[in-house]
Parts: sequence; C-alpha cells; structure tokens
Amino acid sequence: AQSVSQHNHHVILSEAASLELGCNYSYGGTVNLFWYVQYPGQHLQLLLKYFSGDPLVKGIKGFEAEFIKSKFSFNLRKPSVQWSDTAEYFCAVNERIYNQGGKLIFGQGTELSVKP
Amino acid sequence: DGGITQSPKYLFRKEGQNVTLSCEQNLNHDAMYWYRQDPGQGLRLIYYSQIVNDFQKGDIAEGYSVSREKKESFPLTVTSAQKNPTAFYLCASSLSSGGYNEQFFGPGTRLTVL
Repeated sequence: AQSVSQHNHHVILSEAASLELGCNYSYGGTVNLFWYVQYPGQHLQLLLKYFSGDPLVKGIKGFEAEFIKSKFSFNLRKPSVQWSDTAEYFCAVNERIYNQGGKLIFGQGTELSVKP
Repeated sequence: DGGITQSPKYLFRKEGQNVTLSCEQNLNHDAMYWYRQDPGQGLRLIYYSQIVNDFQKGDIAEGYSVSREKKESFPLTVTSAQKNPTAFYLCASSLSSGGYNEQFFGPGTRLTVL
C-alpha cells in the first residue's frame, strides 16, 4: 500500500541546534510533496511544497526541504531552530494520477520540542 | 476574513448516537476534504469532494457519511457504526481537486464519545 513514513516521532532540540526531519514515501510514480506544520493551538498550515524543478525548496520561517528521487525522500531542514518552532510537523504526498484529485497521504507526524 | 470554520470546537456524544460536524469555507474553493487525526497516526482521509453534489470515499470512510449540497459547506456525520469515533476531525479545502493546489485547514473539532 502507498504510504508516507516519518522516522522520528518526537525530537527534542536546544535553540540554535540544526534540524533535519526525515520523510520517505512509497509511491513509484510522479509525486507532489508537502510539509505542513501545526503550532500549538493553531490550524495546520503549509510550510513548503515541491512539484518539479529545483529539488531544494525553500519555505516559510527559514525551512527548506530536499527532494531526492532515488531515495524517495523529502527531508525537512532548518539550520538553527528557535523556541517558536515547537510544533508538530507532517510530511504529505499526492501521486499525480488522473482523476485522483488532491488526495494527500500524510505521514505520522513528528513532534518537535525546542528548549530555550 | 476568508477561511474555514468548523463547529463545534468540542463535541461530546453518547455511544450509539449519530453526530454531525460542520465545515464551512468562504474561499470559493471547489474541493473539500475531511480528515481524522489520531496521535501517532497523522491525518487519514475520510471523504473528499471535488465539486458540488459529488464526493468520494477516502481511506477510512466506514461509519461516516457526508453531503455536498452547497459549494461552501461539507458536513460530516459520524454514525453509530463508527467503532472508534473519539478523535480530532479536520476539514480542509483547496481551489480545485488537482494535486497542485495547497489545502487549507480549519481549526478542527474534537469529538469524544462517552
């Protein structure tokens, strides 16, 4: 079955540490890739997305992600985290199949806690 | 102020009762979605609708029903047939059903079955 896997369930970092959250998917075809973030008490919102072109994409708040097709991966990175980055992060994928619409498959989520 | 509203924020129901969760959007989006969020499982798609008067089952549709009579509204009914209904429910919408469109999410409804 098609799936999205996030390797880390809970990550704890100190401020200024670097962040990398892993995401792997199992689709064999062409995909669109997304990272969403859910800050405490807030709506789920889009961090960044990849459709085609440069595999290194930049999003809001200094986040970036790299699409590596050969590894079926779309890892999220940030060079220096802040306390305000404490949130839950979700990787999501949809496969470009005709008439499948915008069906997103989400990973299990990674809870990030940043210590001040 | 454009966005997606879900009501109520918290909902309690007794076992065996049906309950309907509201989702309204004023973004003029064609596509709408319902997800269920459980700890450690991410979001799972329940139903989605690409256009008014049309909807399709997602990955976990059993025990749920939806309607899409108006473009701006996509209510979800959790029936008594849903074996484990306690969860956080999220509604989303996108400009169209194509995969290139960002999905916008509502604040969610937390349902607890007593």
